[in-house]
Amino acid sequence: QVQLVQSGADVKKPGASVRVSCRASGYTLTGYYLHWVRQAPGQGLEWMGWINPNLGATKYADKFWGRVTMTSDTSINTAYLQLDRLRSDDTAMYYCARNTHLDYWGQGTPVTVSS
Amino acid sequence: DIVMTQSPLSLPVTPGEPASISCRSSESLLQSNGFNYLDWYLQKPGQPPQLLIYLGSSRASGVPDRFSGSGSGTYFTLTISRVEAEDVGVYYCMEALQTPYIFGQGTKLEIK
Repeated sequence: QVQLVQSGADVKKPGASVRVSCRASGYTLTGYYLHWVRQAPGQGLEWMGWINPNLGATKYADKFWGRVTMTSDTSINTAYLQLDRLRSDDTAMYYCARNTHLDYWGQGTPVTVSS
Repeated sequence: DIVMTQSPLSLPVTPGEPASISCRSSESLLQSNGFNYLDWYLQKPGQPPQLLIYLGSSRASGVPDRFSGSGSGTYFTLTISRVEAEDVGVYYCMEALQTPYIFGQGTKLEIK
């Protein structure tokens, strides 16, 4: 069955970078776009961007441009989200989700940014 | 960017009764292929969101048939024919027509 398994919780200081991984199983990563969505505590959902793992092409939300990098390693069926120059308001749960209509989601990775 | 507006934001429902949530977009989500690029998600407490409805009215795999989606263009509705206790959570609409994908604010459904 299709599963997206994300890396564990992380705590970072302001100004640092975080990298979250998303390992796909039950399907080949290159077959579908992979999206990243985040959710601040008690807040709604915010789309961050997508990666086409087949070509390595990416599309980012303007809000994150210059701070976000989405990559993939197709040899291990894994996608990555890196967010640089972290701020306290980047504290959130980060999700990966598959396909145009986000049909499968990872379990989420909580990232805390605190001095 | 497209603006997505949901209502109501809070929805108390008696089990067995119907419920509906509306979602309005600032631009038409109807693409030239005839499909409306509007999806519905349910986020149960402590869980990631799950896809309920895609392309406005198509139920995702495994979703009970008490859930249905309707609408076209800029106005959409999610209807639950008979609410069950397991349906509690926050419902989101999302436009998938253009990036950035935008979610509605969310509608919290609770059982009376």
